[in-house]
Amino acid sequence: NAGVTQTPKFRILKIGQSMTLQCTQDMNHNYMYWYRQDPGMGLKLIYYSVGAGITDKGEVPNGYNVSRSTTEDFPLRLELAAPSQTSVYFCASSYSSNSNQPQHFGDGTRLSIL
Amino acid sequence: GNSVTQMEGPVTLSEEAFLTINCTYTATGYPSLFWYVQYPGEGLQLLLKATKADDKGSNKGFEATYRKETTSFHLEKGSVQVSDSAVYFCALSETGGGNKLTFGTGTQLKVEL
Repeated sequence: NAGVTQTPKFRILKIGQSMTLQCTQDMNHNYMYWYRQDPGMGLKLIYYSVGAGITDKGEVPNGYNVSRSTTEDFPLRLELAAPSQTSVYFCASSYSSNSNQPQHFGDGTRLSIL
Repeated sequence: GNSVTQMEGPVTLSEEAFLTINCTYTATGYPSLFWYVQYPGEGLQLLLKATKADDKGSNKGFEATYRKETTSFHLEKGSVQVSDSAVYFCALSETGGGNKLTFGTGTQLKVEL
């Protein structure tokens, strides 16, 4: 069972470069999420999507963009990388918007910006 | 807004010791509460959940009870093993909130022989 798959696992960027973090899920979940995890800070929601073609901002969206052209894929784009975006990024999905539904997480992308 | 407060780590225990990780929350409505576990190099996995007051979630020997009167959801295990070494996150999802999770800062647990 693949679940939620994130690529790449690690990446080093220079300041000002751009990149796309890939996320795909094979569970036919409508809801998908991007979080960043900073040391000692827990996870913060960047963007989320309730279905193909629909996205919305989370708590910390500045400096990021997302798109959702298919149910399976939810890429996260950094247009102008900044040192403050050094973090571990997690993608997650859930079956519904019901608050009692657990989210399923990928293994994360560790991103360093130098 | 919503918030989750966890006890700070790291917590170091000997194998077979009793574990408690405290978690309290602030929410405007009636949230569902979760404990997620993160093993080294992996993503988060659901450990247990409770969706209403007085519910007890349990899994793999871990338990937590949803206490509305004290706004708490403390994680407990009677006898920890080395394999329980991980980071534990308490989280809430508010009813009608689109299932967006609010996380605590995480508590690292290290279990030694």
